[in-house]
Amino acid sequence: DAGITQSPRHKVTETGTPVTLRCHQTENHRYMYWYRQDPGHGLRLIHYSYGVKDTDKGEVSDGYSVSRSKTEDFLLTLESATSSQTSVYFCAIREDSSSLETQYFGPGTRLLVL
Amino acid sequence: QKEVEQNSGPLSVPEGAIASLNCTYSDRGSQSFFWYRQYSGKSPELIMSIYSNGDKEDGRFTAQLNKASQYVSLLIRDSQPSDSATYLCAVNGVQAGTALIFGKGTTLSVSS
Repeated sequence: DAGITQSPRHKVTETGTPVTLRCHQTENHRYMYWYRQDPGHGLRLIHYSYGVKDTDKGEVSDGYSVSRSKTEDFLLTLESATSSQTSVYFCAIREDSSSLETQYFGPGTRLLVL
Repeated sequence: QKEVEQNSGPLSVPEGAIASLNCTYSDRGSQSFFWYRQYSGKSPELIMSIYSNGDKEDGRFTAQLNKASQYVSLLIRDSQPSDSATYLCAVNGVQAGTALIFGKGTTLSVSS
């Protein structure tokens, strides 16, 4: 257990509404990541952070924004949710002490956009 | 485009047999390689990591790496029904700070 929690764990929302997902870690890891997982596509990187206020885009960043104002929290925002953003969202951390760039995942958030 | 390829399966083996899962990757600069197990409805769980050519064993699991062939495999000995899951191969991106690149996963079914 890498001390990662995600909230909410499940959410149903309507097209066009803003949605914010939260990832919280307790071990002060520098690197944090947001992935989405969809059938037929596997895990794909949305955004990542390498420190407070330091973020960068991943493979599928369109329609998403992130913020990291504290080391322990990494927020993912869907500014105006669309049905194509229905997915399972996973947060991950990278162990700072590992030269192998080992990542550990949170429990995930299931999002349904109607 | 950096890619990680896995057979989607399902791979079906009887209880007690050896399950062999394979993965190829496109980026020769990759240095770290991982196998994650994911049960249905759950998050990926790290089971093996390897970064040197050859074999690495941990209990019933053996990871094999061949950088020249850009090939990673996972062997599960004495397969159990509880090993039934999707296995994800992941490779590190070359640039610092980039995330892992994942294959789409191989579904393993172990029958009792």
